[in-house]
Amino acid sequence: GESVGLHLPTLSVQEGDNSIINCAYSNSASDYFIWYKQESGKGPQFIIDIRSNMDKRQGQRVTVLLNKTVKHLSLQIAATQPGDSAVYFCAEDSGAGNMLTFGGGTRLMVKP
Amino acid sequence: DTAVSQTPKYLVTQMGNDKSIKCEQNLGHDTMYWYKQDSKKFLKIMFSYNNKELIINETVPNRFSPKSPDKAHLNLHINSLELGDSAVYFCASSQEGGARRAFFGQGTRLTVV
Repeated sequence: GESVGLHLPTLSVQEGDNSIINCAYSNSASDYFIWYKQESGKGPQFIIDIRSNMDKRQGQRVTVLLNKTVKHLSLQIAATQPGDSAVYFCAEDSGAGNMLTFGGGTRLMVKP
Repeated sequence: DTAVSQTPKYLVTQMGNDKSIKCEQNLGHDTMYWYKQDSKKFLKIMFSYNNKELIINETVPNRFSPKSPDKAHLNLHINSLELGDSAVYFCASSQEGGARRAFFGQGTRLTVV
């Protein structure tokens, strides 16, 4: 069936460096692709989304890139901070049934 | 004020029992959801509900049922609990059609023994 998945389960970066978290998806019909952040003991928190007709979108310190040719989604975090330590999920919204399909998550660890 | 609140935060119960988890949102959203997160952190949608329709993920056992007394509440009832139901359950809400920008509660960790 359709699925959203991640390449790296754990990513460790030095404080101040840039982080790149990757995701592969298989449902080409999705309208939106989304990144969520989940800190320990908390619920997921929306970070940024990108519509399927775009290839790049920037937020505050974050950039999402969408490569539809290879069905790849990435989240770039600039100047990674200790507060960025969390599990990051990619998700897709197919627009049908008002439901999200989540990928498996990548844990980002920021070393001081 | 907490936007999406769930109670209880922790729930330990025996197999075969029936339990409920409550969820309330004060964001004025039209749509509420229940997600299940397993021990490997995998998140899976269970239900999507607004005042027009209930959408059920077909993989969810019918022992699970959402109940919405009003627009601000979506409770989750679970009958005949099984060991495999142990997980963290998240309630979320969004504007209608805005599932991708949902607000999540802090989760309820359910442990079935």
